[in-house]
Amino acid sequence: QVQLVESGGGVVQPGRSLRLSCAASGFTFSHYAMHWVRQTPGKGLDWVAVISYDGNNKYYAESVKGRFTISRDNSKNTLDLQMNSLRADDTAVYYCAREGGIYCAGDCPTAEDYWGQGTLVTVSS
Amino acid sequence: DIQMTQSPSSLSASVGDRVTISCRASQSILIYLNWYQQKPGKAPKLLISAASSLESGVPSRFSGSGSETDFTLTISSLQPEDFATYYCQQSDSSPPTFGGGTKVEIK
Repeated sequence: QVQLVESGGGVVQPGRSLRLSCAASGFTFSHYAMHWVRQTPGKGLDWVAVISYDGNNKYYAESVKGRFTISRDNSKNTLDLQMNSLRADDTAVYYCAREGGIYCAGDCPTAEDYWGQGTLVTVSS
Repeated sequence: DIQMTQSPSSLSASVGDRVTISCRASQSILIYLNWYQQKPGKAPKLLISAASSLESGVPSRFSGSGSETDFTLTISSLQPEDFATYYCQQSDSSPPTFGGGTKVEIK
């Protein structure tokens, strides 16, 4: 069965960096685009970034552009999110999620069909 | 960015009730509207994609309809396990955007 397991969350001071990882199993990882989506405690969902199945295309939310970098290693079935210059408003639970269609370049009109359990990032001094 | 507006933001209902949640897009998104269910402390779960396509394993009491800018999620007979928060999401254009959520509570 499809499994996505995030790790790397924690408490970090404003301006510092953190790297999140997502380990995928139960499907052919290299066939699927992958997303990061975050959720502020008690609030709604905000899309963060997407990477195409082959890693050649990456798109970011304006709020994280230039600070966050999404990457993947198809040989290890892992997805990463490097977060630099963190701010208090980056505090959230971060989810990795699989794009529903295969061979997407990151711009397919499909839903995110599987999600990890999330990892909490708290940015605070 | 396309804005997604859900209504109501919360509702109280009883087991067996028919429940309807609305979602409106700020511009046409054709049929590229998805519905998710989220329970406390859990990840969102995809219920319906492309406005009306029920995901495998999702009970048939859930249904979706609509196109262009107006969409509806209906639960035909509310069950105890359906008490949760529901989100719509447009996937027509980047960035994908979510509605603010509808919390379904027990009356």
